[in-house]
Amino acid sequence: DSGVTQTPKHLITATGQRVTLRCSPRSGDLSVYWYQQSLDQGLQFLIQYYNGEERAKGNILERFSAQQFPDLHSELNLSSLELGDSALYFCASSQSQGSGEKLFFGSGTQLSVL
Amino acid sequence: GESVGLHLPTLSVQEGDNSIINCAYSNSASDYFIWYKQESGKGPQFIIDIRSNMDKRQGQRVTVLLNKTVKHLSLQIAATQPGDSAVYFCAENAGGTSYGKLTFGQGTILTVHP
Repeated sequence: DSGVTQTPKHLITATGQRVTLRCSPRSGDLSVYWYQQSLDQGLQFLIQYYNGEERAKGNILERFSAQQFPDLHSELNLSSLELGDSALYFCASSQSQGSGEKLFFGSGTQLSVL
Repeated sequence: GESVGLHLPTLSVQEGDNSIINCAYSNSASDYFIWYKQESGKGPQFIIDIRSNMDKRQGQRVTVLLNKTVKHLSLQIAATQPGDSAVYFCAENAGGTSYGKLTFGQGTILTVHP
């Protein structure tokens, strides 16, 4: 167990809908990262938050947004869902914000858009 | 129709053999490298890491080698066991404005036969 908690484990929804994925980082970790894993794109970095502030951004779609709350948990909001958004979404956490830190990953949320 | 997806390299070994998984990284500015193991239905799990000021680092049954000249990373697993069967990912971090962002390789499927 990595100590990173993601909910829900599975999510099935329809095109055009909006969903929220939730992540609680390991105790003491201040950074949260979101990754998308799909069969055709592999593990793709979406965004990093550190202590409530955005730090690094990847190729995150405008339909997607994230935030980190004062208690350090994070939410990833996906809206106007398309079939191609079906993927595994992972949250990871690390102690600080900089380079050279290992990331600890949760078990992921499997999103299926029908 | 034909499915589209990543065609991951595969490595098939016998139990007890040594395994070597290779990875070419892309960013010459990367200064931190890490190997993850991902089992089916789980999130990536940390194996071992190395910084760019080193060329070799050993853990328990695993060794990582870094060749910055040719931008190559390898993971050696000694006395491979069936429980080592998984997808293995290398990842790199360039620091600076990338903060803690890890960029992942496509992965290698390791299958260990009893």
